[in-house]
Amino acid sequence: DGGITQSPKYLFRKEGQNVTLSCEQNLNHDAMYWYRQDPGQGLRLIYYSQIVNDFQKGDIAEGYSVSREKKESFPLTVTSAQKNPTAFYLCASSWVAENAEQFFGPGTRLTVL
Amino acid sequence: QKEVEQNSGPLSVPEGAIASLNCTYSDRGSQSFFWYRQYSGKSPELIMFIYSNGDKEDGRFTAQLNKASQYVSLLIRDSQPSDSATYLCAVNIARGKLIFGQGTELSVKP
Repeated sequence: DGGITQSPKYLFRKEGQNVTLSCEQNLNHDAMYWYRQDPGQGLRLIYYSQIVNDFQKGDIAEGYSVSREKKESFPLTVTSAQKNPTAFYLCASSWVAENAEQFFGPGTRLTVL
Repeated sequence: QKEVEQNSGPLSVPEGAIASLNCTYSDRGSQSFFWYRQYSGKSPELIMFIYSNGDKEDGRFTAQLNKASQYVSLLIRDSQPSDSATYLCAVNIARGKLIFGQGTELSVKP
């Protein structure tokens, strides 16, 4: 059963804590992405990776970090430096091609208490 | 700053009508365009993509692209209450990079 999984579905964090969001895919896609969505807004790119052990900053990378040690996995850490982390976080994957479609996981809703 | 603009709505149509969703983009070099449907509280689901000028039909959905006018639209024929969702337009601006509009909320009334 191919797809993208994200965990946890809901996450609560106290201010000053780092948290790590999991993203795994078994679609054999080379590229993976992290987006953030705030209420009533579109998606904004945080980080993306097109190959293992390499990743690039997106438009809003400050306060976030990622790693890509395996093709299937692209975890996102939300650090205490992120000023407003409460949001819906979406992971996506795709082939590396000019017009490749991106497919999304179910998302993680992070709330800072 | 490369941008994608959508009317946030809500767009309300009666059941059985045609819903027309519009999107404009600023990057003339963009080559591929995507429409995603997002139900409340859920993740986006790809419903259409288009690369060439003109129309592309898939069931009740038709995507229309006009690169000269930097305009892409999505038509939903015979709209159903189950089509009620937010529709996100996404534009490919570089290999692997999509820019998303803020989405248009569609409400189909029975």
